[in-house]
Amino acid sequence: GDSVTQTEGLVTLTKGLPVMLNCTYQTTYSPFLFWYVQHLNEAPKLLLKSSTDNKRTEHQGFYATLHKSSSSFHLQKSSVQLSDSALYFCALSPLTSGGNYKPTFGKGTSLVVHP
Amino acid sequence: EAAVTQSPRNKVTVTGGNVTLSCRQTNSHNYMYWYRQDTGHGLRLIHYSYGAGNLQIGDVPDGYKATRTTQEDFFLLLELASPSQTSLYFCASSVAGASYEQYFGPGTRLTVL
Repeated sequence: GDSVTQTEGLVTLTKGLPVMLNCTYQTTYSPFLFWYVQHLNEAPKLLLKSSTDNKRTEHQGFYATLHKSSSSFHLQKSSVQLSDSALYFCALSPLTSGGNYKPTFGKGTSLVVHP
Repeated sequence: EAAVTQSPRNKVTVTGGNVTLSCRQTNSHNYMYWYRQDTGHGLRLIHYSYGAGNLQIGDVPDGYKATRTTQEDFFLLLELASPSQTSLYFCASSVAGASYEQYFGPGTRLTVL
């Protein structure tokens, strides 16, 4: 079946430093990849998404590039802020031949930014 | 902005109790989902639905039933609650199609004593 792997459970950084959160996936179908962000005591919400190979997508200072050759969709930011402290989920939606699909989420990476 | 509401927001029950979690979306989305969130496990899909009357099994369905009564309403039923079902439950909805993002409700915190 499909799977999403986020290798870091916790990332701790000082404000102003760059960050990369890893996401790799497995599917036999054409993939749509998503990053969701969940702040404390809030619901997850979309940060960015992509289905285009080797094209960078950006939102709110975060960016990611889908690389189908390596099945990766890593999330990056050049300079983290205190407000970026949150839980980040990578998610996969495979485009199946039947048109229906079952989404799969990674286990999430908690990002903690210190002053 | 998509609107997904859940009720109750908090629920405490005892082992063996009967619990129904409700979810309503008002955006005419076809897909609706139930997830549970536990530390170290992320978001795990329990059940989902393509439309009224449709039900699909997710990744962790044991101990849960679900019913989609209308386009708007999706219910999660725990008929014999167990402490292992203590969790934060999220409902979500999306437009049909793999390329569309999910909109999440505020969550229901369930405690089974």
